[in-house]
Amino acid sequence: AQTVTQSQPEMSVQEAETVTLSCTYDTSESDYYLFWYKQPPSRQMILVIRQEAYKQQNATENRFSVNFQKAAKSFSLKISDSQLGDAAMYFCAYKGSGNTPLVFGKGTRLSVIA
Amino acid sequence: DAGVIQSPRHEVTEMGQEVTLRCKPISGHDYLFWYRQTMMRGLELLIYFNNNVPIDDSGMPEDRFSAKMPNASFSTLKIQPSEPRDSAVYFCASSFWGLGYTFGSGTRLTVV
Repeated sequence: AQTVTQSQPEMSVQEAETVTLSCTYDTSESDYYLFWYKQPPSRQMILVIRQEAYKQQNATENRFSVNFQKAAKSFSLKISDSQLGDAAMYFCAYKGSGNTPLVFGKGTRLSVIA
Repeated sequence: DAGVIQSPRHEVTEMGQEVTLRCKPISGHDYLFWYRQTMMRGLELLIYFNNNVPIDDSGMPEDRFSAKMPNASFSTLKIQPSEPRDSAVYFCASSFWGLGYTFGSGTRLTVV
């Protein structure tokens, strides 16, 4: 079964600085999708960014970008110009091809220091 | 669309009681998922449906847990009898073709 590992239970960053959250995964598939979700204190799960494995170009959404290393099975999230509103739990998730469901890592709690 | 709607938002119940969590998926979505979130185990998939049919319930922890999807617009997750270790946040999510998940706001269950 696929597994997703987030090795940093907690991280902190100064406002306006850059932070990188790590994620590794285990799979034997060549075609799959990777996601980062944000969960603020409201509990809502919010999709931050998505990467298709067949795309070599790293996905970017405004201040959020990923470093996708397919051979290393690594998928890190970089948050630039951190804002207080970025404080949340961040979950890395994997979805295989076909009708397989999302598999989540255990999350990284990000604090933003003013 | 109002998104995925879960009810109740909070539930406090006594050990041994039956608990029913409800979910209304987004209209037109053909997949529905139930996840459980705890500090220790993170987000775990309990069960998922495709076109109202259960596809994989291997994540359901015990026979005390059951889920149904009688139609495309409604699903329930039932725990009977409930135990303190069932305390968690339960999320429902729906998607179209298995991509583009939309999550509900979750139900925080506390069993005392």
